[in-house]
Amino acid sequence: DSGVTQTPKHLITATGQRVTLRCSPRSGDLSVYWYQQSLDQGLQFLIQYYNGEERAKGNILERFSAQQFPDLHSELNLSSLELGDSALYFCASSVGEGVGLEQYFGPGTRLTVT
Amino acid sequence: AQSVTQLGSHVSVSEGALVLLRCNYSSSVPPYLFWYVQYPNQGLQLLLKYTSAATLVKGINDFEAEFKKSETSFHLTKPSAHMSDAAEYFCAVRPSGAGSYQLTFGKGTKLSVIP
Repeated sequence: DSGVTQTPKHLITATGQRVTLRCSPRSGDLSVYWYQQSLDQGLQFLIQYYNGEERAKGNILERFSAQQFPDLHSELNLSSLELGDSALYFCASSVGEGVGLEQYFGPGTRLTVT
Repeated sequence: AQSVTQLGSHVSVSEGALVLLRCNYSSSVPPYLFWYVQYPNQGLQLLLKYTSAATLVKGINDFEAEFKKSETSFHLTKPSAHMSDAAEYFCAVRPSGAGSYQLTFGKGTKLSVIP
């Protein structure tokens, strides 16, 4: 158990809908990262937050957005869902942004868009 | 931009045999490198990391990896495979400087262990 929690574990929804994925980092971790794992694209970085501020963006679609709240939990919002958005979404956390600090991954949320 | 190439999407070894999973990186300066393992229906677990200290890095469960700058490689090895090692393994890279902390992953290598 990494200490990172993600809810829900599974999500099935229809095209065009909007969903919110939630992540609680390890106690004391200030950085949160979101990754998408799909069969065709592999594991891709989406976005990073540090202590409530957006720090880096990767291959995140404009239909997707995220935020980190004062209690440091984070939410990833996916809207106008398409079949291709079906994937495993991971949240990871680290203590800070210093060099070499490993990221601890949550168990993921499996999103299925039908 | 940095990238990672994992040679072999699927590797099979016999129980007790040497495990060798290959990872090559592309970067203008030596990056930080990581190996993660993903068991079925689980998240990623860090096996080991290279952050410019010793080039031979030891990780959990008897895994180790050697950073070879001349070969731009960071191959993962384990002397003797166990059935419990069957999983998918990901090599990841991130810049060694400040300002960019996200991981770039390889496509993964699925390890099968034959009894």
